[in-house]
Amino acid sequence: GQQLNQSPQSMFIQEGEDVSMNCTSSSIFNTWLWYKQDPGEGPVLLIALYKAGELTSNGRLTAQFGITRKDSFLNISASIPSDVGIYFCAGQGGNTDKLIFGTGTRLQVFP
Amino acid sequence: DGGITQSPKYLFRKEGQNVTLSCEQNLNHDAMYWYRQDPGQGLRLIYYSQIVNDFQKGDIAEGYSVSREKKESFPLTVTSAQKNPTAFYLCASSIGGGSEQFFGPGTRLTVL
Repeated sequence: GQQLNQSPQSMFIQEGEDVSMNCTSSSIFNTWLWYKQDPGEGPVLLIALYKAGELTSNGRLTAQFGITRKDSFLNISASIPSDVGIYFCAGQGGNTDKLIFGTGTRLQVFP
Repeated sequence: DGGITQSPKYLFRKEGQNVTLSCEQNLNHDAMYWYRQDPGQGLRLIYYSQIVNDFQKGDIAEGYSVSREKKESFPLTVTSAQKNPTAFYLCASSIGGGSEQFFGPGTRLTVL
């Protein structure tokens, strides 16, 4: 099955630093979703984007739906230890209702 | 509280046995999904259902079966035909196809 390219694969940062990650697709999407997964748990929805160019925030998290509709970005500002986890992007588009998931970005935050 | 429940959290089975994983939701969602997650990898779609008594194969349906007799329930059976069943299984639901999906806590299946 198709998967999105998500980068970076992993990040090791100092508490207080800002974080950026992105997802790219070879096809156009109508919806972009960002999830966070803690070890041994199900993913939790962070932000949903529905329109090209849309910029949406959720606390310290900001996500953007790329103008080309083939990419999306997630930024985390002033990281804290509880930001640790795996972040997944997911996209939906074309004539299918299925979500396509990225391969995940593993974030480690050091105090 | 509205949400999605999966049981059990951990499941151990002997090779060659069928096993059924439970997924229940009280969100009144029409669509439900089953995903498989292997270590260090993303989510792969096994089966999905957009309405009661109807379901479609996902990307990796071989060795799995599902039923959707009630709106609230979407059990997954991992059959002995599944070559490598040990994995983390996630159930999700959404209001309709193509909308935001919400996930349950997952079931970790280990086949010995």
